[in-house]
Amino acid sequence: DAGITQSPRHKVTETGTPVTLRCHQTENHRYMYWYRQDPGHGLRLIHYSYGVKDTDKGEVSDGYSVSRSKTEDFLLTLESATSSQTSVYFCAVSKGMDRGGNQPQHFGDGTRLSIL
Amino acid sequence: GENVEQHPSTLSVQEGDSAVIKCTYSDSASNYFPWYKQELGKGPQLIIDIRSNVGEKKDQRIAVTLNKTAKHFSLHITETQPEDSAVYFCAASIAGYQKVTFGIGTKLQVIP
Repeated sequence: DAGITQSPRHKVTETGTPVTLRCHQTENHRYMYWYRQDPGHGLRLIHYSYGVKDTDKGEVSDGYSVSRSKTEDFLLTLESATSSQTSVYFCAVSKGMDRGGNQPQHFGDGTRLSIL
Repeated sequence: GENVEQHPSTLSVQEGDSAVIKCTYSDSASNYFPWYKQELGKGPQLIIDIRSNVGEKKDQRIAVTLNKTAKHFSLHITETQPEDSAVYFCAASIAGYQKVTFGIGTKLQVIP
């Protein structure tokens, strides 16, 4: 158990409203990630962080922003939600790399977001 | 960038039979290949991984094989049980790069 908590677990909101999803970890991992999961697309990376205040874009970053002010928290914000952002969002964490090579990512249980 | 293809998208097997899921990758620099199992309503969970310096790895009923020349890797589950029913994802990453590319997933159904 990588000690990952995502909140909220479910959310329904309206088009045009701002939405913030939170990922909290207890293991002090350096790397944190946000993915979205949609049928037929698998897991697609939105943004990731490699340290406090250090973030970078993934393959589907348009319409999303992130912030990491503390090691343990990584926030995903939809500034103005659209129906195309209805999805299941997963947070993941990783130690990064050690002498054994790349270390695996560990996932939270997701947030189901519906935008009407 | 890296592209990972996964087959089949769905797989049904009788309990006790074996299941095989295959993935190919495009970037020869990829050297770490994790496999995840996702149960309904849960996040993906790492079940096994393999690095490019080995060709096969086993953990009880699960095994992974890697063919670097052909750039493909496979997950083998023997003596399948109903609790093996889930969606399985393969993935690939390059040493030093902390982004992972996932396959599209395989929904495995084990019929009792």
